[in-house]
This record gives sequence, C-alpha cells and structure tokens, in this order.
Amino acid sequence: GAVVSQHPSRVICKSGTSVKIECRSLDFQATTMFWYRQFPKQSLMLMATSNEGSKATYEQGVEKDKFLINHASLTLSTLTVTSAHPEDSSFYICSAREDRWGNQPQHFGDGTRLSIL
Amino acid sequence: QQQVKQSPQSLIVQKGGISIINCAYENTAFDYFPWYQQFPGKGPALLIAIRPDVSEKKEGRFTISFNKSAKQFSLHIMDSQPGDSATYFCAATNTGRRALTFGSGTRLQVQP
Repeated sequence: GAVVSQHPSRVICKSGTSVKIECRSLDFQATTMFWYRQFPKQSLMLMATSNEGSKATYEQGVEKDKFLINHASLTLSTLTVTSAHPEDSSFYICSAREDRWGNQPQHFGDGTRLSIL
Repeated sequence: QQQVKQSPQSLIVQKGGISIINCAYENTAFDYFPWYQQFPGKGPALLIAIRPDVSEKKEGRFTISFNKSAKQFSLHIMDSQPGDSATYFCAATNTGRRALTFGSGTRLQVQP
C-alpha cells in the first residue's frame, strides 16, 4: 500500500529556531501534498497545499512567510516553521495522494510533534 | 459550505456492540467521503470511503451508510473491540479540490 513517511517524528527546540519537517511518498509519485495542523483533541486543519514545481497554496489565516513550503520533487515536500514560537507548538501532519489514479485516497504520514520552549 | 459536522464527540461502547458515528455536510459538490482512524501520536489511517453513487459500502466490520438527499453519512463498527478504541474522523472533498475537510472527530472507547 501507499506509504507516506514524515521526519522527524518529534522536535523540541528553543523559541526563535527554524524547524524543517520532511514528507516523503515512499512508493508512489505525488504532484500534490497537503500539510495539516492538529491541536490536542482537535481535528485536522488544512494549512496549505504543496504543488511540485510551483508555489504552495495557503489557506486563509496561514502566514506563508512563517510556514515555508518547498515541493522540489515528486516524492518530497518540506515544511519549514521559521522563527518558531511557543504558539507554533502543535502536531503537524502531511498527506499525499498517488497521481496515477484520479480516485485514489490520501495517505497520511505519522506526524511531527513540535514543541517550542 | 466547507464544514463537515460530526457527532457524537465521544462514545463509549461495550465489547461486541455496534458503534455509530454520524456526519453531515452542506457542500453538494463533495463527491468523496472517507473515514479515518487515528491513534494517539499517529497520523490518520484510511478506514473506508464512499462516493455518492452508492448508499452503502461494507468492508469487514466497517460499514458506511450514505444518504445523499439528507447530505448525511455514517460509520457503523460492528462487533466493536477494545482495539477499535481511537479517534475517528469523517471527511469530505470534491475531485477538483482534492484537499480534505475533516469533521471534528469522535473519541471511541470500547470497554472490555
């Protein structure tokens, strides 16, 4: 089955640090990947849509200069949280859908727990 | 119009019982309705999904019932097991948009 790998699984760092999270589709190509954010006991909220070879599309209220997205290949998207602050602490999850078949479901990574001290 | 409403917020079921989770949507453009299961500290895993051209889909102990006219769909877990204890999310999207809109989630606890 389709596998999405996300790395790292957990990050703890000081306020002001920039953190990069990687999302890889291991056995399929994904022109489009999605980044979600999930607070404790809450649902997943879409942050942005990552498009290979072009700019990401951000949801309303998400700062594009704060959350930098790069989708440099058909199997890798990265999310960089720049100058992170405690309010950025959250569970970040990526997803991808196989390009070949238009009706394929999205597959999710196991998430990255970001804790900013 | 992008909202998906999910209920109940939490659910306690005895082992062997039936767990039922309901969702309602407003956007008639939605044409794909998946259900995801999430364990603590993990990403959501696809359980089962349905499209509006069928009213029911069954995979093992999991069944989706879909009512297009009422814009509602539900997940039924038959013979619920303690291992089913997790948070369940319904979601919806349309082929053009591709991103998922999630319901608020239901925390299911199956008691032995």
